[in-house]
Amino acid sequence: DAKTTQPPSMDCAEGRAANLPCNHSTISGNEYVYWYRQIHSQGPQYIIHGLKNNETNEMASLIITEDRKSSTLILPHATLRDTAVYYCIVAGGTSYGKLTFGQGTILTVHP
Amino acid sequence: NAGVTQTPKFQVLKTGQSMTLQCAQDMNHNSMYWYRQDPGMGLRLIYYSASEGTTDKGEVPNGYNVSRLNKREFSLRLESAAPSQTSVYFCASSGQGNYNSPLHFGNGTRLTVT
Repeated sequence: DAKTTQPPSMDCAEGRAANLPCNHSTISGNEYVYWYRQIHSQGPQYIIHGLKNNETNEMASLIITEDRKSSTLILPHATLRDTAVYYCIVAGGTSYGKLTFGQGTILTVHP
Repeated sequence: NAGVTQTPKFQVLKTGQSMTLQCAQDMNHNSMYWYRQDPGMGLRLIYYSASEGTTDKGEVPNGYNVSRLNKREFSLRLESAAPSQTSVYFCASSGQGNYNSPLHFGNGTRLTVT
């Protein structure tokens, strides 16, 4: 699986958009970009995923660059409950089911 | 809809004791997984089951065994617990077992081995 690079921490004001970047320059054509988050030792929570196109759901938007080497997770109106560790994961190909969770980005939302 | 349910939530074992961690999902998913998470680290895959009747090793299988009891249940057994197995264990499931099918996680079993 391709490796990902994320900033170790970010801050965001409550009510503002949180934009979390991820670099995955070695991604291959059949690999998906996934985002999960983990709130205070709870189980990881799925947020969104995509292959080539931008995606949006009730939680967030995922913007993938045209060359697929980087992506941005957007939380449009961050709340205090969005404070968590956010993991960007690239997965696909033959490594079935073996999501590799790195260190992620600690997002802190301030009042 | 409970999603993925893990029992117990907490457990303390002495070195050499055995135990089974239980996991059940009610989403009719085909694939199930066991991960462990050590303090300050990401999750590492222990074992997975692509479908009922099959199991495969993940990244860190040593010291563990698994059983896919039926489509709903996937258990993880520690035959002789060691302090190095002190960790938080997460069970997960996914619908299709391919990469267009996200994983849904339980809330974990916190295991301490003394």
